[in-house]
Amino acid sequence: KNEVEQSPQNLTAQEGEFITINCSYSVGISALHWLQQHPGGGIVSLFMLSSGKKKHGRLIATINIQEKHSSLHITASHPRDSAVYICAVAKRAWETGNQFYFGTGTSLTVIP
Amino acid sequence: DVKVTQSSRYLVKRTGEKVFLECVQDMDHENMFWYRQDPGLGLRLIYFSYDVKMKEKGDIPEGYSVSREKKERFSLILESASTNQTSMYLCASRVSKGTANNQETQYFGPGTRLLVL
Repeated sequence: KNEVEQSPQNLTAQEGEFITINCSYSVGISALHWLQQHPGGGIVSLFMLSSGKKKHGRLIATINIQEKHSSLHITASHPRDSAVYICAVAKRAWETGNQFYFGTGTSLTVIP
Repeated sequence: DVKVTQSSRYLVKRTGEKVFLECVQDMDHENMFWYRQDPGLGLRLIYFSYDVKMKEKGDIPEGYSVSREKKERFSLILESASTNQTSMYLCASRVSKGTANNQETQYFGPGTRLLVL
């Protein structure tokens, strides 16, 4: 069983639509990261959350620690938002070994 | 801006060859990571290093080794490449801030697509 589950795996949307990507996790965490990977491979960090909600432009990320769930929302989606979105959870600081667990990603395609 | 560079974007090697993947970061980060990314499996940690000459195994270290002789450089070595090591390899680095480590952003390189024939 994966420690991090994302849904949906694939998502196609029309330009302008509101998009939600979900992430559920099963381990205790210190933080949750949302990452974006464009075709070609490079990964950039969008958000780091340990509680509540963060907003950056048209992107909004929320986390519910009690329910072990996070969502990434994209408002007024645009074709340039087409990418793979990856949820990663960071283990608590005192735990040894691997520091992060990654979801398998959600592939988003926004059609003009 | 943090810059993480990887020595090759694409690499084709033959089974049994020794393969070196190099990663360099320019922000004086203590922590560096090597991942592989495969369809349906997400990113999996191979090795990480929290300081020069220090290394720890990740989840899938078999068939790999690493070297960290200088702070800015973290090398991944495939001692004898096999076809099941065909994958996308991603390097990342992160500043070290003690117990707040895991709340720090990882910065990723562009990735190396390795094909082992």
